[in-house]
Amino acid sequence: GAVVSQHPSWVICKSGTSVKIECRSLDFQATTMFWYRQFPKQSLMLMATSNEGSKATYEQGVEKDKFLINHASLTLSTLTVTSAHPEDSSFYICSARTGEGAETQYFGPGTRLLVL
Amino acid sequence: GEDVEQSLFLSVREGDSSVINCTYTDSSSTYLYWYKQEPGAGLQLLTYIFSNMDMKQDQRLTVLLNKKDKHLSLRIADTQTGDSAIYFCAPGGDTGRRALTFGSGTRLQVQP
Repeated sequence: GAVVSQHPSWVICKSGTSVKIECRSLDFQATTMFWYRQFPKQSLMLMATSNEGSKATYEQGVEKDKFLINHASLTLSTLTVTSAHPEDSSFYICSARTGEGAETQYFGPGTRLLVL
Repeated sequence: GEDVEQSLFLSVREGDSSVINCTYTDSSSTYLYWYKQEPGAGLQLLTYIFSNMDMKQDQRLTVLLNKKDKHLSLRIADTQTGDSAIYFCAPGGDTGRRALTFGSGTRLQVQP
């Protein structure tokens, strides 16, 4: 199946710094990528839909100036957590779709962010 | 929007069958997925069912769909300790622009 990678897999940063997380589709082109956030022992919550070459669509309650998304190419989307604070600590997971149909959404392994 | 409900916890003995249930609200879901998440890891697609099917069997996994009641279940036969994980149901559409909506996840604990 298709492979989606995320980098870094985990990051620890100081409060106030910005952190960039990359999501790459390794062997396919993804016009649409999704960013999810997962708190401990909770479900995945969709943060935003990232479309190549256009602005991301954010879910209600997600601050677009706080979570900057750039989908510069068909294989790369980045999520930047700006001025991170401890409450931003979470597990961030991206997914990419290869197209239409059933088995077309593939998830990255996730990035664990800890803000001190 | 879509609302997906799951029970939070299930404990079974090794060798028994496990049944994880899910209810959803969006009847337009074309495919209904089951994902597995092991501690600290991403999501692994286990299986899915097309909305015009009632049942799908895939080795130890059986998915049952009651479209009228918007109820989905995942049965794992001969449950093993390696099946201990969190299981998410996720109804979804067939278009590339739609994200999946996940249930709360059911934590399956398999006792040896």
